[in-house]
Amino acid sequence: GQQLNQSPQSMFIQEGEDVSMNCTSSSIFNTWLWYKQDPGEGPVLLIALYKAGELTSNGRLTAQFGITRKDSFLNISASIPSDVGIYFCAGRTSGTYKYIFGTGTRLKVLA
Amino acid sequence: GAGVSQSPSNKVTEKGKDVELRCDPISGHTALYWYRQSLGQGLEFLIYFQGNSAPDKSGLPSDRFSAERTGGSVSTLTIQRTQQEDSAVYLCASSLSGSQETQYFGPGTRLLVL
Repeated sequence: GQQLNQSPQSMFIQEGEDVSMNCTSSSIFNTWLWYKQDPGEGPVLLIALYKAGELTSNGRLTAQFGITRKDSFLNISASIPSDVGIYFCAGRTSGTYKYIFGTGTRLKVLA
Repeated sequence: GAGVSQSPSNKVTEKGKDVELRCDPISGHTALYWYRQSLGQGLEFLIYFQGNSAPDKSGLPSDRFSAERTGGSVSTLTIQRTQQEDSAVYLCASSLSGSQETQYFGPGTRLLVL
């Protein structure tokens, strides 16, 4: 079945540092989504990507749809304490409705 | 409140009891999804509804799990004869349609089976 590997699993960073995380798939995806989940809450959509090579920003967040269509990257610039949480990638193949989710990257920001 | 809502927010039950979890999707969203998230894990797909129909039930872990959706809106996920391994956060998401739109999640129901 389809698999989605997300890395790193967790990371501690200093406030103000930049953060990078990525997801790789065993299948070609036509849509990539990035979510953030705060403790006790449901995931909140951060960025949606629909085309290979697409680069999209949302404030300090930037995500890219990999050229191979099997990977995606999320970067957070100048991290702040409220960036703490779990970041999930999700991907979907063409013509399907089911998203495959990564296992999450747990981000902790040290002030 | 224009978002997805779920109830109850927390549920503690005894092993062997049945539980019902409710999801109210965003108004006008025809697609509805249920996921399960175990502690420290990613999201596991359970079932997808398009309108009142469920084209894909393949993610349901066992026949103790069932779901229905009425009026193209509210959905109920039922777990019969709960087991301790059913303890998890059950998340509902909706999207405008099934094939092209991104999903928006509710806050989840935290189920603990003692």
